[in-house]
Amino acid sequence: EAQVTQNPRYLITVTGKKLTVTCSQNMNHEYMSWYRQDPGLGLRQIYYSMNVEVTDKGDVPEGYKVSRKEKRNFPLILESPSPNQTSLYFCASSSGLADEQYFGPGTRLTVT
Amino acid sequence: LAKTTQPISMDSYEGQEVNITCSHNNIATNDYITWYQQFPSQGPRFIIQGYKTKVTNEVASLFIPADRKSSTLSLPRVSLSDTAVYYCLVGDLGNYGQNFVFGPGTRLSVLP
Repeated sequence: EAQVTQNPRYLITVTGKKLTVTCSQNMNHEYMSWYRQDPGLGLRQIYYSMNVEVTDKGDVPEGYKVSRKEKRNFPLILESPSPNQTSLYFCASSSGLADEQYFGPGTRLTVT
Repeated sequence: LAKTTQPISMDSYEGQEVNITCSHNNIATNDYITWYQQFPSQGPRFIIQGYKTKVTNEVASLFIPADRKSSTLSLPRVSLSDTAVYYCLVGDLGNYGQNFVFGPGTRLSVLP
């Protein structure tokens, strides 16, 4: 089944403790993105990647890192999480520039 | 980057046709229009995409007038399960990062 998977689905952590949210897609898509969603603000793009080893900042990249060492994986790294990064995170992938995006199930992160 | 404006919310009754209009006065030649649907705590799901005139698929129709300054998503005979947030996106065919700028969307409530 074609899908985007994220892990973990839920995470509660403390300020400053490094964490990684994994994202994997099995559709051989070149394009991948990370979004965060907060009430009243909609979805905002954090980082995106157009291919292996090619990443770029979205609208809200501060406090996040990403890597794209393999085509299927696009992990989101929070080196020193802060409470303002408490949010619902989505990973997405698409096969081309203008093609529809497939979204993962989301990761709900709480930073205390 | 073309900014989009949609109604914040809409109500409808089961069985009715729902039309959600999105304004994008600054749409550029290379921009296309895409609509996504999002249920609570789930990632957005692609509904339909178009460049001009009318596009129809099994779930919706998209009407785009000749000047392309607006577009209308039409959902025929809605049911309770169509209650969701609907996003209109306008993106440049040649710029992946711009393709997926989500605004606040339109919250559709379908009533029995």
